[in-house]
Amino acid sequence: NAGVTQTPKFQVLKTGQSMTLQCAQDMNHNSMYWYRQDPGMGLRLIYYSASEGTTDKGEVPNGYNVSRLNKREFSLRLESAAPSQTSVYFCASIGLLNTEAFFGQGTRLTVV
Amino acid sequence: DQQVKQNSPSLSVQEGRISILNCDYTNSMFDYFLWYKKYPAEGPTFLISISSIKDKNEDGRFTVFLNKSAKHLSLHIVPSQPGDSAVYFCAASEYASGSRLTFGEGTQLTVNP
Repeated sequence: NAGVTQTPKFQVLKTGQSMTLQCAQDMNHNSMYWYRQDPGMGLRLIYYSASEGTTDKGEVPNGYNVSRLNKREFSLRLESAAPSQTSVYFCASIGLLNTEAFFGQGTRLTVV
Repeated sequence: DQQVKQNSPSLSVQEGRISILNCDYTNSMFDYFLWYKKYPAEGPTFLISISSIKDKNEDGRFTVFLNKSAKHLSLHIVPSQPGDSAVYFCAASEYASGSRLTFGEGTQLTVNP
């Protein structure tokens, strides 16, 4: 039972480079989310997708774009990475109830 | 504007004693509250939740208390075990389903043997 799978687990980027973080879930959930975790700031919502074909901004969307490719997959793209985007990124999918929120293992991104 | 706040970055307790983790919120629209537990190099996992129509919810060693008038909730773990050592996040949402979760900063709990 895979749940939520994120790739890659680790990444180092140079300032200005681009990359896409991938997320896939196999629980047939409608809602998917991208969070970033920074020391002393908890988990902050970047973007979310309430259903296939829809995306909305969260608290900290600047510098990111997302794509809800299909019901299973929700990707996060950094077009031009900045050191301020150094963080741990978590993808989550949520079922009918918020108690059914499952997170991936995270992607540790360092921008130098 | 931090709508969910956990004022204690860390807490250390002895095995067998009670751990009390606190959380405050400012948004009066929040109606549903959850606690998540996170081990290093893993994603958060759901622990326990409470609806605003209740003031207490218990699940084994874990109990969540909600004081709606004070906009405060707490998680009690008793007895605490070394395996409980983790970061605990408080989260809130406007509904039990279909609405985004807003998280606090997290509290690192260390349970000493």
